[in-house]
Amino acid sequence: DTEVTQTPKHLVMGMTNKKSLKCEQHMGHRAMYWYKQKAKKPPELMFVYSYEKLSINESVPSRFSPECPNSSLLNLHLHALQPEDSALYLCASSQDQGRNTEAFFGQGTRLTVV
Amino acid sequence: GQNIDQPTEMTATEGAIVQINCTYQTSGFNGLFWYQQHAGEAPTFLSYNVLDGLEEKGRFSSFLSRSKGYSYLLLKELQMKDSASYLCAVRDPNTGFQKLVFGTGTRLLVSP
Repeated sequence: DTEVTQTPKHLVMGMTNKKSLKCEQHMGHRAMYWYKQKAKKPPELMFVYSYEKLSINESVPSRFSPECPNSSLLNLHLHALQPEDSALYLCASSQDQGRNTEAFFGQGTRLTVV
Repeated sequence: GQNIDQPTEMTATEGAIVQINCTYQTSGFNGLFWYQQHAGEAPTFLSYNVLDGLEEKGRFSSFLSRSKGYSYLLLKELQMKDSASYLCAVRDPNTGFQKLVFGTGTRLLVSP
């Protein structure tokens, strides 16, 4: 199994809603990532989890709250988002956070905030 | 920080060869990645170069020159399905190489 699975694929939410994005991998990878990608732009890192601990937060607003319940799962909890938060949210994993390990990406969740 | 540059767009014809360039500046280097991303889909890993020279993988090859801070992705026998964005990326040494930083991406359009 070389897949990173994200759910849901599409999400429309209002600015007062609370929702969660989910990501799962069964490759035994110990580093997991959340990226945000706007149209025609490259992915931008939001968070890195290494061995289930948050190791990087790229100054992401607190309305985005990551969680790593175990080594296979990564969640992103969303609350009080703004329309400008609409984007493709990508989860990725790699064997560890080391230098030469490639990251495997999930298909992403297309989020629209209305 | 990292500075990674790629051309914004390129066009080529089916069956042709295209070279996508990437230049980078980083305080510490331990390899360069190439990813392919079709519109609305996930980036998929293509190649990793850490030593100078050319690495060939089927129709795709990737080249690295560390002294010049330069890499290219060479696509041969282009097919319509190769129309996609191509992203080069390096890991940020200021984060213990945890953070993968992408270039702006090159949108390749292959026409019949």
